[in-house]
Amino acid sequence: GAVVSQHPSWVICKSGTSVKIECRSLDFQATTMFWYRQFPKQSLMLMATSNEGSKATYEQGVEKDKFLINHASLTLSTLTVTSAHPEDSSFYICSARAVQGTMTEAFFGQGTRLTVV
Amino acid sequence: DAKTTQPTSMDCAEGRAANLPCNHSTISGNEYVYWYRQIHSQGPQYIIHGLKNNETNEMASLIITEDRKSSTLILPHATLRDTAVYYCIVRVPFRRQGGKLIFGQGTELSVKP
Repeated sequence: GAVVSQHPSWVICKSGTSVKIECRSLDFQATTMFWYRQFPKQSLMLMATSNEGSKATYEQGVEKDKFLINHASLTLSTLTVTSAHPEDSSFYICSARAVQGTMTEAFFGQGTRLTVV
Repeated sequence: DAKTTQPTSMDCAEGRAANLPCNHSTISGNEYVYWYRQIHSQGPQYIIHGLKNNETNEMASLIITEDRKSSTLILPHATLRDTAVYYCIVRVPFRRQGGKLIFGQGTELSVKP
């Protein structure tokens, strides 16, 4: 399957600082990228959908000013957690879907473990 | 958005077929069924998807009932490495919200020696 890479795999930051997570589609162009968050023992929760060159669409209850999403190119999307607090500690996962062709499935990155201390 | 219902957990003996059921009784005619799995602390891995017909690939087979209200994922010869949480998802159409995938609770499959 297609490869989606996230960076970093894990990060520890101090409360009040901001953290940026990158999501790259390595061997295909992604029209749409999705960002999820997953707490321990829970399922993935969709945070937002982003399309290249346009503003992200956030799910209900997700603060757009706290979780800044940028999708500047067809191979890169970033999620910035601003003014992080311990309750933002979670596993963040991105997903990317191809522009065109027969590949309609979305592929996921390996996830980023964020710990806010 | 169509909701899916899956058993919380299942066990399977190594080498035997694992049959994972999923109910999606509110599915619409143009909505696809997707299956992903997540091994602990990793991102989900795509397995297979289908609309009406049964599908098979190198990983699994997907059997969709004629009324499309339920489906079964079949891992023909389960191995210990197939231990994971399996998610059955009805994908939102592309023209509506970009074809996003909404995850339910999934089935925790344990393959035992």
